[in-house]
Amino acid sequence: TQLLEQSPQFLSIQEGENLTVYCNSSSVFSSLQWYRQEPGEGPVLLVTVVTGGEVKKLKRLTFQFGDARKDSSLHITAAQPGDTGLYLCAGAGNTPLVFGKGTRLSVIA
Amino acid sequence: DSGVTQTPKHLITATGQRVTLRCSPRSGDLSVYWYQQSLDQGLQFLIQYYNGEERAKGNILERFSAQQFPDLHSELNLSSLELGDSALYFCASSVGGTSGTGELFFGEGSRLTVL
Repeated sequence: TQLLEQSPQFLSIQEGENLTVYCNSSSVFSSLQWYRQEPGEGPVLLVTVVTGGEVKKLKRLTFQFGDARKDSSLHITAAQPGDTGLYLCAGAGNTPLVFGKGTRLSVIA
Repeated sequence: DSGVTQTPKHLITATGQRVTLRCSPRSGDLSVYWYQQSLDQGLQFLIQYYNGEERAKGNILERFSAQQFPDLHSELNLSSLELGDSALYFCASSVGGTSGTGELFFGEGSRLTVL
């Protein structure tokens, strides 16, 4: 069974701070996706990373896929209250997407 | 709006009962996935259908069953409900048969409470 461990589970920071959340596995994935979920809604795709070592930027969000394609990180610069939500990583392999349990981020104004 | 519609949004029922959750995928998407989300287990894959046929099975209990109809909508049937079945149930859809690098589009979920 492929498992994805996300850390930290919970993160509460002040507006303007930087943060990094991690997604780790012992399994190799063909690609890794990051989703954001807000209360009362389903997850929404932020980015897909495919190549080991790949770095993708989405405004203030920077996503990195590990060289061995087993781990990933999400870095947010100058966090804003609108970034509040549950961030989920999901690995793609031979089975439908496997999700981590998520990092619940709260950005306080 | 993801284009995926789930009904009902909320459902409260008693132990031992049976419920049916319904999902209409995005127009043009052939795959439907069912996921269960709880606080302690996160988002767990249950089952996938592609163009009417079962494609992949995850941690789905024998008390649960699903199907995808010719018009591509799907239903998840949960029977002999237990307290531990209380969770958010999400339906997602995608164009192809493998999630791979393709995006999953999620509905807003059905919140099931078993009393």
